[in-house]
Amino acid sequence: DSGVTQTPKHLITATGQRVTLRCSPRSGDLSVYWYQQSLDQGLQFLIQYYNGEERAKGNILERFSAQQFPDLHSELNLSSLELGDSALYFCASSPRQGGSPLHFGNGTRLTVT
Amino acid sequence: GEDVEQSLFLSVREGDSSVINCTYTDSSSTYLYWYKQEPGAGLQLLTYIFSNMDMKQDQRLTVLLNKKDKHLSLRIADTQTGDSAIYFCAETFDQGGKLIFGQGTELSVKP
Repeated sequence: DSGVTQTPKHLITATGQRVTLRCSPRSGDLSVYWYQQSLDQGLQFLIQYYNGEERAKGNILERFSAQQFPDLHSELNLSSLELGDSALYFCASSPRQGGSPLHFGNGTRLTVT
Repeated sequence: GEDVEQSLFLSVREGDSSVINCTYTDSSSTYLYWYKQEPGAGLQLLTYIFSNMDMKQDQRLTVLLNKKDKHLSLRIADTQTGDSAIYFCAETFDQGGKLIFGQGTELSVKP
């Protein structure tokens, strides 16, 4: 158990809808990272937050947004969903901004129908 | 640019050694990592190596780093069927801590 908790484990929704994925980092970790894993794109970095502030942005679509709350949990919001958004979404955390490994949650599997 | 390359498949017999290779592009990477993903599961951190090291050994795992060639390898000694999984190599691209992953190598261990 990595100590990173993601909910829900599975999510099935229709095109055009909006969903929210939730992540609780390991106790004491200040950085949260979101990744998308799909068969064709592999593991793609989406966005990073550190202590409530956005620190780095990757291949994140404008329809997607995230935030990190004062209690350090994070949410990834996906809107106007398309079939191609179906993927496994991982959250990871680390104690600080760099120099330490990332610990991953078990992911949320999103299926858009 | 950000690019990490791995071969996609490796098949070995139980008891043999497995060697999974990875090449990366960012010579300023400070840490390089190996993660394991079993079916339906998340990414499990296996081991990592600091860029000023050539080798790191951790039980059945040996990591070799050739900075000149930007080549990283993971050797698994006495490979077991439970080692069957996808193995990802990752590098830190900048000081912010995000990791750039390779495509993953699917290791199949035959009894």
